[in-house]
This record gives sequence, C-alpha cells and structure tokens, in this order.
Amino acid sequence: AQSVSQHNHHVILSEAASLELGCNYSYGGTVNLFWYVQYPGQHLQLLLKYFSGDPLVKGIKGFEAEFIKSKFSFNLRKPSVQWSDTAEYFCAVNGADSGYALNFGKGTSLLVTP
Amino acid sequence: KAGVTQTPRYLIKTRGQQVTLSCSPISGHRSVSWYQQTPGQGLQFLFEYFSETQRNKGNFPGRFSGRQFSNSRSEMNVSTLELGDSALYLCASSLTLDGLRYFGPGTRLTVT
Repeated sequence: AQSVSQHNHHVILSEAASLELGCNYSYGGTVNLFWYVQYPGQHLQLLLKYFSGDPLVKGIKGFEAEFIKSKFSFNLRKPSVQWSDTAEYFCAVNGADSGYALNFGKGTSLLVTP
Repeated sequence: KAGVTQTPRYLIKTRGQQVTLSCSPISGHRSVSWYQQTPGQGLQFLFEYFSETQRNKGNFPGRFSGRQFSNSRSEMNVSTLELGDSALYLCASSLTLDGLRYFGPGTRLTVT
C-alpha cells in the first residue's frame, strides 16, 4: 500500500538553528514529491516540489529538499530557521500508479522560539 | 487570478444531518480534489474530479460523495453525519490531473 511517513510530529527549535524534517514514502512507480506548509490560520501552500531532474530542489523562503531514490526519502532542510517558520509541514507524494491522487504524511508541527 | 474558494467557511451540524460543501477552483482549472484534515489523521484524500468525472477515490465510506459541474465547480456531500466527521475539509484545484494542486482555505465542519 502507498504510504508517506514523517518521522517527527513535533519539533521545537530556537531561531537560527538548522532544520531537517524527515519524509519517507512507500510507492510503486515514478513519483512526484512535495512539501506543503500551513502557517497558523492560512491556506496550505506549496513550499517545493520534485518531478524529475536535479534531486536537490530549492523552494520558497530558503527551504530545500533532497530526493534520495535509494532511500525512498525526501527530507526538508533549512540552514537557519526564523520565528516566522512556525507552522505545520506536510510531505506529499503522488504518481501515475495511483492516478495522481495526492497522499500526505501526517505532518510535523514546528515551533520556532525567539 | 482569484484563488480556490470554499463555502461556507464554518459550519455546525447535528449528528445524523447531512451537509453540502462547495468549492470553486481557480479559473481554467479542470481538476478538483477534496481532503479531510483532522489532528489525529492529518490530511486524507477523499476524491478527485476531472471534467465532471470522478477519477480517484480515497478510503472513505459511501456517506461521503461529490460531484463536479460543467464550470468545474465541485460540491461534496456528507450524509448521516457522525461526530468523527468533524474536521477541516480542504479543496484543491489543478489544471490537469498530474498538475500542481492549489488549496483553498477549507471549511471547518463541527458535528455536535
């Protein structure tokens, strides 16, 4: 069965600390990978995406993620977090095998303290 | 372009009632998908419509249904509401089935 796992459910960091959120997936066939962010009271919005090509993708607000096919992983990173990065982060996967239905992980709640 | 809009934004219903939620996609987008967001289960895929046809369905009971109109607007219906249906229901639109999803603000449904 297709699944997406996010390892950390709650993360607390101080400002300027580095961030890495883990995401692993179980999926057959070629995949598209996404990280979405939901700031308090706001819409779910796309941080970055991987469809093909360079496995290191850069997104908005200084975020990046690396697709490691052999590890079925797509971890999100940011070298130095800010208080405004406090939000819920969701990893998502889709592919042709599932008709491109978007399958989400359960999310990671990030709190950045001043 | 205007974003994805969902109405109503908040809804309170009683157990056993039914509810209809509406989603208007970004202009030109032909695909609309629905998701249920709860603290315990995260975001779960309900179904997706493209050109008025259901293309994908998640693992939800038959009480959850939807449809899409010729103008791409979509509605989701939940019959015989249960307390566990309390959630944020998100709608997303995309140009194509394999395209990027753009999400609306959601409808917060509370079942009492």
